[in-house]
Amino acid sequence: GDSVTQMEGPVTLSEEAFLTINCTYTATGYPSLFWYVQYPGEGLQLLLKATKADDKGSNKGFEATYRKETTSFHLEKGSVQVSDSAVYFCALSRSNYQLIWGAGTKLIIKP
Amino acid sequence: EAGVTQFPSHSVIEKGQTVTLRCDPISGHDNLYWYRRVMGKEIKFLLHFVKESKQDESGMPNNRFLAERTGGTYSTLKVQPAELEDSGVYFCASSPSGYTDTQYFGPGTRLTVL
Repeated sequence: GDSVTQMEGPVTLSEEAFLTINCTYTATGYPSLFWYVQYPGEGLQLLLKATKADDKGSNKGFEATYRKETTSFHLEKGSVQVSDSAVYFCALSRSNYQLIWGAGTKLIIKP
Repeated sequence: EAGVTQFPSHSVIEKGQTVTLRCDPISGHDNLYWYRRVMGKEIKFLLHFVKESKQDESGMPNNRFLAERTGGTYSTLKVQPAELEDSGVYFCASSPSGYTDTQYFGPGTRLTVL
């Protein structure tokens, strides 16, 4: 069945470092892909999405490109801030609109 | 515009008791979803309402879970009787009619069964 695999955390970086959180997926058809973020004490927020191959989603300095050939949707940011500390979830949307989730990656940014 | 709200934010109950979680979707959103994250595991889909009808309840774990959405507005998720393995965070999400690609999530209800 459909599935999403994320790199395990926690990922600890210094402020202004480059961030990559890997996400790969297995799916039939052409799912939409998402990154959600959960800041401490808050709910899930949509960070960015891509709906077809080669689309790039971007928001708040984060980017991810839908790579069908490698079935990947890696999250990147050029310079992270302490305020980016959160749990990041990669997910795909099935045609029946269920979201299939990765396990989440906790990101810790140290000043 | 108010977001998705959930109540309570945290519930602690004993095994065998009943708990009811409530979700108020964004006004006008016909689609409502329930998900849960059991500790250390992935977030899992539970069910999907379109207005008051259950469109997909394939993720409901067993018959101890009952979801309702009377009148197509708020939804409740009842667990009766609760078991230890039901502990986790229960998320509700909503999306507008005809466009379900992006779901808007509430803050979640953390359920602890002792």
